[in-house]
Amino acid sequence: RKEVEQDPGPFNVPEGATVAFNCTYSNSASQSFFWYRQDCRKEPKLLMSVYSSGNEDGRFTAQLNRASQYISLLIRDSKLSDSATYLCVVQGTGGFKTIFGAGTRLFVKA
Amino acid sequence: EAQVTQNPRYLITVTGKKLTVTCSQNMNHEYMSWYRQDPGLGLRQIYYSMNVEVTDKGDVPEGYKVSRKEKRNFPLILESPSPNQTSLYFCASSFRAGPARMDTEAFFGQGTRLTVV
Repeated sequence: RKEVEQDPGPFNVPEGATVAFNCTYSNSASQSFFWYRQDCRKEPKLLMSVYSSGNEDGRFTAQLNRASQYISLLIRDSKLSDSATYLCVVQGTGGFKTIFGAGTRLFVKA
Repeated sequence: EAQVTQNPRYLITVTGKKLTVTCSQNMNHEYMSWYRQDPGLGLRQIYYSMNVEVTDKGDVPEGYKVSRKEKRNFPLILESPSPNQTSLYFCASSFRAGPARMDTEAFFGQGTRLTVV
């Protein structure tokens, strides 16, 4: 079983749709969680950190469920520019070892 | 401009010929890391460094070496490259690693596409 698992997609949604991604992790000792965005084999860029209480940044909402060991990302009012691969990232105890999920591909269509 | 710079961006080499991929950051970051990205597998951590002269293995360290003699540089060395090391490589740095907060954001280089024939 992979340490961090994501649905690879692709998710094909129309503009304006709400889309949700889930990510599960296997190491209960994991401490830090992030969502990164990667465009077409370019370098990943931080989208948002994920805090225990959940957090929101504009149209993006991230949630963490430690009991069930999953992280979610909700994108509201999807834009064409949201088309990308979304990477779930987990850091272990001490925060040094970093595990990336394989990513979920999103296509937003007009 | 704050950035992570990798060189070269593209490299085709032959099996067994030693090569080095350089990584340099200008943000005075303590933490640096190397990843490889392969289709369907995502990014996998090769090595990381918590500070100068402090390095440790990630998930896939076999066939790679690193060094951290200066804070800004973290080169990746392939002593004897093999075709299974053909991949897209990313270097990343962050101010520190640890509980999620603003200063743990990782900044990535633009990637090095390596082909070993």
